[in-house]
Amino acid sequence: DTAVSQTPKYLVTQMGNDKSIKCEQNLGHDTMYWYKQDSKKFLKIMFSYNNKELIINETVPNRFSPKSPDKAHLNLHINSLELGDSAVYFCASSRTTDTQYFGPGTRLTVL
Amino acid sequence: GEDVEQSLFLSVREGDSSVINCTYTDSSSTYLYWYKQEPGAGLQLLTYIFSNMDMKQDQRLTVLLNKKDKHLSLRIADTQTGDSAIYFCAESTDGQNFVFGPGTRLSVLP
Repeated sequence: DTAVSQTPKYLVTQMGNDKSIKCEQNLGHDTMYWYKQDSKKFLKIMFSYNNKELIINETVPNRFSPKSPDKAHLNLHINSLELGDSAVYFCASSRTTDTQYFGPGTRLTVL
Repeated sequence: GEDVEQSLFLSVREGDSSVINCTYTDSSSTYLYWYKQEPGAGLQLLTYIFSNMDMKQDQRLTVLLNKKDKHLSLRIADTQTGDSAIYFCAESTDGQNFVFGPGTRLSVLP
C-alpha cells in the first residue's frame, strides 16, 4: 500500500495557468510538507503544516498556497505559473519531528 | 481536478499480447495519448487518439477508447523484449496542457 501518494506524476502546462498537485498520506501522520527539487537536485522546503500551524519558507512566492482539507491531505495550488516553477515537487509526511516519508514526486513542466 | 490512473505493473511472456489499461476523470478530454519511457530515456510519444474515435491501429499497437466509461487501453501484439518500458497514459483538453498517469511498468519475460 502506498504511504504517501501524489497526483499527477507529470504535469505539463503553459505559463500563466493555475494548477494543483494533490498529496495524500495514509500513515496517520500529523505533519505534512512540500518540497521543491531544482535542476541541481537540491530539495528546498516550501511549507510544513500540521493542524495547528503553517510554516512558510519566506522565499516561496505567494503564488504558491497549500490547502489541507483534512489531516491526510495537503494539496499545493500554484497560480499564474512561471517558467521558473518547472521542477519536481515532493510531498512528505511525518509524525511531529520524526522521519519524513516522501511521495514519488510530481514533475511540473511550464512551457 | 483531473486525474489519470493506471495499474503500476504488468508482466507478459515474449510473443504474447500486452494490454495496458488507463482510466481518466476529465469528461472534456479531447486528446488521449500513450507515451513510452525506456530506462534512462525521456518520454516518447507512441500514439494518440481523438475523443471522437473509438479505435486506432498502428502496426503492433491498438488503442481502444471507451468514452462513456473514460477508459483507454493500449494493446501491443507479439510483445518483444524491446517493449519492456514504462508506459504512460495522458489526457488533454486543448493539446497544450497534459495530465499524466503514474505509468505502467511492462516486463517482458523470455
